[in-house]
Amino acid sequence: DAKTTQPPSMDCAEGRAANLPCNHSTISGNEYVYWYRQIHSQGPQYIIHGLKNNETNEMASLIITEDRKSSTLILPHATLRDTAVYYCIVRDDYKLSFGAGTTVTVRA
Amino acid sequence: GAGVSQSPRYKVAKRGQDVALRCDPISGHVSLFWYQQALGQGPEFLTYFQNEAQLDKSGLPSDRFFAERPEGSVSTLKIQRTQQEDSAVYLCASSPIPPRSAPWVNSPLHFGNGTRLTVT
Repeated sequence: DAKTTQPPSMDCAEGRAANLPCNHSTISGNEYVYWYRQIHSQGPQYIIHGLKNNETNEMASLIITEDRKSSTLILPHATLRDTAVYYCIVRDDYKLSFGAGTTVTVRA
Repeated sequence: GAGVSQSPRYKVAKRGQDVALRCDPISGHVSLFWYQQALGQGPEFLTYFQNEAQLDKSGLPSDRFFAERPEGSVSTLKIQRTQQEDSAVYLCASSPIPPRSAPWVNSPLHFGNGTRLTVT
């Protein structure tokens, strides 16, 4: 059973912020939220992860709601190279369980 | 620095042939994972190694699939008597610390670019 729900696709304009939503209403206290992306013909690439605090790194920001039932990945200035499938994953174990992800298309 | 390396990048096999897919993890990474990704879908877990020990093989779809990591570094995924439904991208990933210890959640998996297997 999928632990996360993501929209199947979304478009965003180059240079604008891209906000990718993810619902994980059944998340438990020891489960982390991970984000990966997969550019065409490449393996998944780690982006960011968090437990309950908001996180930021050089690639993106992760905003987790206070009840932890949803989160948003923010790409602050999308470029054409950010076009990819983005996976939101709830992880409490050594495995990563991928869903279908969101296909993000950045348009010039 | 060197990432996870997989070879071959592409493999075409006739139905019934055996294939062997190789994974070179990042040096020093103790955990190694194999995933299968069908066209248009997310990766699906196959098996997990900690050093040379195969601790989880629950995702292997049949007994035709076999994975090994004899010296705790390079791993090979072997598929015997390939079938058309085995056509997929096979991804390998490694991570630098054993899971189930305190900091594992701060250690993401690093993936290779996969081997695309086509069974004709």
